[in-house]
Amino acid sequence: ETGVTQTPRHLVMGMTNKKSLKCEQHLGHNAMYWYKQSAKKPLELMFVYNFKEQTENNSVPSRFSPECPNSSHLFLHLHTLQPEDSALYLCASSQPGQAYEQYFGPGTRLTVT
Amino acid sequence: DQQVKQNSPSLSVQEGRISILNCDYTNSMFDYFLWYKKYPAEGPTFLISISSIKDKNEDGRFTVFLNKSAKHLSLHIVPSQPGDSAVYFCAALSGGSNYKLTFGKGTLLTVNP
Repeated sequence: ETGVTQTPRHLVMGMTNKKSLKCEQHLGHNAMYWYKQSAKKPLELMFVYNFKEQTENNSVPSRFSPECPNSSHLFLHLHTLQPEDSALYLCASSQPGQAYEQYFGPGTRLTVT
Repeated sequence: DQQVKQNSPSLSVQEGRISILNCDYTNSMFDYFLWYKKYPAEGPTFLISISSIKDKNEDGRFTVFLNKSAKHLSLHIVPSQPGDSAVYFCAALSGGSNYKLTFGKGTLLTVNP
């Protein structure tokens, strides 16, 4: 595998389910990001991790819980989501402080029913 | 309030002609601008960037122009090719928070053969 990978690529979940999105980067980066792209809206930064430490939480509701066990892996744990949380969730990585050189994964298309 | 605006949701151009994608911003603190290209089912990929100390940057068929006084930038693609058909995102970075990209909503470019 090369670049940034995300699994699953598609996910349908009920409002009471618990699921997790996974991101893995094979670029040797030490910063990882979660973005959300809702229909007809810009990409919105959700979380930033530098060297496994969370450095940015962009006022994201607590039903989204990120986890970064090491510099190569990033998870987004989901529970009791709302239909309006349906969106494309993108992961990206870069070297710390080099947000101008982010590499994105293909995204997970999430549908909350 | 959107700080980066792409007011044209879509643009259709004939192969061989010039494509011009526009982007406006409101935050005077932005000092670095990027264009990303996104194909369906893939993550955004970096295309070209420009620093606020320049007014033009060229890379092959792609040229980005920056007008700081108007807070406006544009991406020119010439000649346009069918493979250029994608969504193009404008993004901006401010020197004070170099880990945070602010994106526009994107413009869908269709290049017709």
